[in-house]
Amino acid sequence: SQKIEQNSEALNIQEGKTATLTCNYTNYSPAYLQWYRQDPGRGPVFLLLIRENEKEKRKERLKVTFDTTLKQSLFHITASQPADSATYLCALVNQAGTALIFGKGTTLSVSS
Amino acid sequence: DGGITQSPKYLFRKEGQNVTLSCEQNLNHDAMYWYRQDPGQGLRLIYYSQIVNDFQKGDIAEGYSVSREKKESFPLTVTSAQKNPTAFYLCASSISRGWNTEAFFGQGTRLTVV
Repeated sequence: SQKIEQNSEALNIQEGKTATLTCNYTNYSPAYLQWYRQDPGRGPVFLLLIRENEKEKRKERLKVTFDTTLKQSLFHITASQPADSATYLCALVNQAGTALIFGKGTTLSVSS
Repeated sequence: DGGITQSPKYLFRKEGQNVTLSCEQNLNHDAMYWYRQDPGQGLRLIYYSQIVNDFQKGDIAEGYSVSREKKESFPLTVTSAQKNPTAFYLCASSISRGWNTEAFFGQGTRLTVV
């Protein structure tokens, strides 16, 4: 079955640095991958979607890469701020194409 | 404003009771989904519906039931058969089943068994 792994449960960085989060997947080849942000006690909010034929996508301080050979996506936040502190979830559509499956998330803490 | 509304935000259930969680959307989305989130776990799919009057089981459907009588509404019932129902429940919707667009989530319902 499909499996998604986000490499670490927690990441602590200093304000102004670049945060890099990793998402690895196994057992199939999705056509696209999504990243969401979730704050405590709230529902996830969509950030970015990247397709298999796109190597990189940017939105303001966010950058996502998608390496279908390595079966990996990297999510970068440049010039990080304390307000970026949250849990970031990686999501892929399942093989049946019927629903999104999610990784467990990486909790980012940015200290000032 | 368009969006998804889940209610109630907090819900307490006694052992052996059924409870129903509400999910309403005014985004005119065809597809709706229910996920469960436990501490340290990702979101796990309970049920999903692509069109009115049709729904499918997800990965952890046992002990849950749903209905989709209207496009806007997708209520989830947690039955007494669900042995460990305490969790954070999230409802989501998308334009279609293609999932090449974003999913919109409600703010969640936290269910606690007392």
